[in-house]
Amino acid sequence: DARVTQTPRHKVTEMGQEVTMRCQPILGHNTVFWYRQTMMQGLELLAYFRNRAPLDDSGMPKDRFSAEMPDATLATLKIQPSEPRDSAVYFCASGLIERPREQYFGPGTRLTVT
Amino acid sequence: DAKTTQPPSMDCAEGRAANLPCNHSTISGNEYVYWYRQIHSQGPQYIIHGLKNNETNEMASLIITEDRKSSTLILPHATLRDTAVYYCIVRVSTTSGTYKYIFGTGTRLKVLA
Repeated sequence: DARVTQTPRHKVTEMGQEVTMRCQPILGHNTVFWYRQTMMQGLELLAYFRNRAPLDDSGMPKDRFSAEMPDATLATLKIQPSEPRDSAVYFCASGLIERPREQYFGPGTRLTVT
Repeated sequence: DAKTTQPPSMDCAEGRAANLPCNHSTISGNEYVYWYRQIHSQGPQYIIHGLKNNETNEMASLIITEDRKSSTLILPHATLRDTAVYYCIVRVSTTSGTYKYIFGTGTRLKVLA
């Protein structure tokens, strides 16, 4: 069945390195969300795309984070340079504009920055 | 933005009803209440949502108080597979005509055999 895929599933990197996380939304979905989850903060919305256009990235630290959708089948979240406090699980979710109650989440990328 | 508060953890006996409370005292009139749950190491899963009327589906029931300042998610017959973190969420409209979901810190429900 259709599902959101994310790569990599796990990433360990050193502080200062660039990290790129990828998400493939469900084919035909036109909304994409990036979330970050930590034990302390729970789930936080980082960015929201509709029809590939970024509509809300107020939850994202602008100085080091960037989110893009180069095409309808790929969303990327980049951190440069990474810091230990970025260690978290990053979830991507996709959905349809006309069915806003439904967000389909990917399995997440567990990022560890040492 | 509206915020939600939930108890950090709850236990429930298998087969009994699990009642998970949520406070959202600053919710606005047009903001929906959503519930998601997250089973260990998986992405969140949609459960139910509502505005002001009580709602029921095959997974759960949602009871919203008349003043909309709080709600309760009810799992009528909890099973061991319902052990998860349950998030009460407020969906807010943005000035750009879209929605964003504000997650609380969740309630860790443990269903006991």
